[in-house]
Amino acid sequence: NAGVMQNPRHLVRRRGQEARLRCSPMKGHSHVYWYRQLPEEGLKFMVYLQKENIIDESGMPKERFSAEFPKEGPSILRIQQVVRGDSAAYFCASSQAAGGGTEAFFGQGTRLTVV
Amino acid sequence: DQQVKQNSPSLSVQEGRISILNCDYTNSMFDYFLWYKKYPAEGPTFLISISSIKDKNEDGRFTVFLNKSAKHLSLHIVPSQPGDSAVYFCAASYNAGNNRKLIWGLGTSLAVNP
Repeated sequence: NAGVMQNPRHLVRRRGQEARLRCSPMKGHSHVYWYRQLPEEGLKFMVYLQKENIIDESGMPKERFSAEFPKEGPSILRIQQVVRGDSAAYFCASSQAAGGGTEAFFGQGTRLTVV
Repeated sequence: DQQVKQNSPSLSVQEGRISILNCDYTNSMFDYFLWYKKYPAEGPTFLISISSIKDKNEDGRFTVFLNKSAKHLSLHIVPSQPGDSAVYFCAASYNAGNNRKLIWGLGTSLAVNP
């Protein structure tokens, strides 16, 4: 049973480009969470999705950021017109039960560098 | 407004001794607490959890203690091993309408010296 798979592991984008981060949850998991870890900081919640639905996007910046979890395929976190401040590690987690309070399993993260 | 606080950014312990990592919280709504361990360049890994109805949960070398009146929890690792060197995140969870929220501390970097 493969774990949570994130790709790419490393992504370099120039300012103004788009970044697309992918997350395939563990088999049987229908709840996906995205977190961001800025340098020298802890994990910050961004968005919680179930299949085809955004449940909680209270941690997502209002502009340039979007997330989806289609019926088929991985969850995608999209950052448009990236800026230097978007450079961070982005982690995806999935769980079987509702809510992040139960044990969620994390992917290895995507490290985004904006140059 | 940091609802979950890990006031020690780093901790250094000798191999074989006890490591104690602390976590304080402010929100009385939290009813479930978790500890995650994170190695560099990897995602966090679930370590141990405790429900607010308990005051202690033990799993091998790892024990989590919860003091609700003080809004404080701690993770004890005994005996500490060099492989325990990692960043440890405390997280707290509560019901928020139709979903649960999980709030994270900033982490404590533990170094276990041989």
